[in-house]
This record gives sequence, structure tokens and C-alpha cells, in this order.
Amino acid sequence: QQQVKQSPQSLIVQKGGISIINCAYENTAFDYFPWYQQFPGKGPALLIAIRPDVSEKKEGRFTISFNKSAKQFSLHIMDSQPGDSATYFCAASTQGGSEKLVFGKGTKLTVNP
Amino acid sequence: DAGVIQSPRHEVTEMGQEVTLRCKPISGHDYLFWYRQTMMRGLELLIYFNNNVPIDDSGMPEDRFSAKMPNASFSTLKIQPSEPRDSAVYFCASSSLRAYEQYFGPGTRLTVT
Repeated sequence: QQQVKQSPQSLIVQKGGISIINCAYENTAFDYFPWYQQFPGKGPALLIAIRPDVSEKKEGRFTISFNKSAKQFSLHIMDSQPGDSATYFCAASTQGGSEKLVFGKGTKLTVNP
Repeated sequence: DAGVIQSPRHEVTEMGQEVTLRCKPISGHDYLFWYRQTMMRGLELLIYFNNNVPIDDSGMPEDRFSAKMPNASFSTLKIQPSEPRDSAVYFCASSSLRAYEQYFGPGTRLTVT
């Protein structure tokens, strides 16, 4: 119930392509869904987040799509760049996100020039 | 703002030794989280505090692990005795009820030989 399942484990995309990472959850009490980006040797950093009252949120080249009935959400990176190469984690939380986050296992994205 | 500060950045120790990891959260944040990251298990929440009080320690693997937060600006994670399977990167993160975002430190890479 507390798990967040993330796929794929790794992803290779050409520069300019679209990167898509998917996550699924079971706990319907989750009400906050962030994506974190982690570069090698660094801690994760918040990239973008969504709440279940909207189906999509866009910030620049990054978009979260949210399907409440399917209990799935995904990250789309448009016009992927080599600088986007990093590990991406989806997560979920109850109580608005200020407390315990449950993380997916991560997706290592490589964008080839 | 200096962000979340962790020390040491790297720790190499022998099995059986005591290890103490330290964290200074962002000033004004009232939540503090300790995570462990490994290739096999991903990013796991070990314990978190609110206003210096432990709220959920269900992720602490066993009695060899303990965490304290004596004041709002300092926390420790102690492993005694350490074992090779404790080798991982340990992250500290902090957040505020108003901000929701968790800010991660740079991590401590622990190697137990």
C-alpha cells in the first residue's frame, strides 16, 4: 500500500527527444506527488510536483501528467538535453507533502548528444 | 542560505566500529529526515523528526541504528556496531510545513570494510 512503483529503471534518449517516466501507486490517501532530480554525487532536488486536483502541471520543458482513476502519474521531459542526464525519482505523500515521502526506485536518464 | 549541511562527506570504517553522521538543517525548518540510498534498495526513509521529536522511526533497520535531534539545528545518526551491509549514502533532508519541499543535503558516503 505504501509503495510507489517506477519504470523504466533506465532510459536512453537522443537530444531533442521526449523522455517519459511512469509511476504507479496504491494508497488513495496520497495527496502530493513530487518528482526529484539527482545528479551524481549530489542529493535529490525537487523538480516539479502535483496535487490530485489537477491532471497536468507544466514547468518549462517538464510536465507531470496525473491520472487519479488509474493511480498513475508520469514525468515528461520535452526537448531532452544532455544536461538533463540524471536519476529521477517519483514520490508520494499524505498530509500535503510536508511529512513522510515514499520514493520510487528511480530512473537513470541518459540523453545522448 | 547554506542549505542542509552534512558531515563527514565520506567515512570509511571497519566493521564493528561506531559511526556518527551529523546534519544541520536549514534554519527555520521544523522537519528533519534521514534517508539511506543504495543501488539495491533505492532511497529509504529511516526516521524523521518534527520540532526535534521523532515521529516515525519505522524505517530504522535495527537496534544498531539510533538518531537524535537535541535541538532545532543539529541531528545525529549513529550506527553501533557498523557492518559492511550498512555501506550506503546517507542523506539528511529538512522541510517546513509551509514549504512542503524537502531540501536534501549532499550526503555522507559510508563504507564499512
